[in-house]
Amino acid sequence: AQSVTQLDSHVSVSEGTPVLLRCNYSSSYSPSLFWYVQHPNKGLQLLLKYTSAATLVKGINGFEAEFKKSETSFHLTKPSAHMSDAAEYFCVVSDYPGGYNKLIFGAGTRLAVHP
Amino acid sequence: DTAVSQTPKYLVTQMGNDKSIKCEQNLGHDTMYWYKQDSKKFLKIMFSYNNKELIINETVPNRFSPKSPDKAHLNLHINSLELGDSAVYFCASSPTAGLTVQYFGAGTRLSVL
Repeated sequence: AQSVTQLDSHVSVSEGTPVLLRCNYSSSYSPSLFWYVQHPNKGLQLLLKYTSAATLVKGINGFEAEFKKSETSFHLTKPSAHMSDAAEYFCVVSDYPGGYNKLIFGAGTRLAVHP
Repeated sequence: DTAVSQTPKYLVTQMGNDKSIKCEQNLGHDTMYWYKQDSKKFLKIMFSYNNKELIINETVPNRFSPKSPDKAHLNLHINSLELGDSAVYFCASSPTAGLTVQYFGAGTRLSVL
């Protein structure tokens, strides 16, 4: 079965410093992986996706993630945090039993950005 | 125009009542979904419809009944509401039922008192 584990429930950084949100996955086949962001009281927005093309994936708002098969990881990074990055981030893997896609979410990482 | 829209945004009701949440997408997608986010922010799929046909039905109590009148709409009706139903419910859509990106609505926060 497909699953993802987000290694940190909370991450706190200062504005202008790098962001690292960690995610490990478990998959019985080549995975499709996503990062979604949820700002307070808002819906879910897709940050980026990996679907077996380039292993370094660039997303919106300066975020990127690197797929590492040997480490079964898909960590999300950003060189310089902005106050507006404060939100809940979800690492997600696709599961498609019978050919129908459903998203399996990690538990989320809350990112706090301090001035 | 909002791509995936849900109504209402907030819903407060008493235990035992019946309520519905509506979802509409104007993206021309074939597939729609309902997800539930609990108080700890954990998100789990409930249902998926493809061209009005139910294709995913996770182990959800049968008090929850989705209905898709056409492929642009997926409504969620909940009978005999319980305290544990309090959550944020998200609707999503994708171009097909296969490996494509899912686009989410803003969510409906349901509070059962």
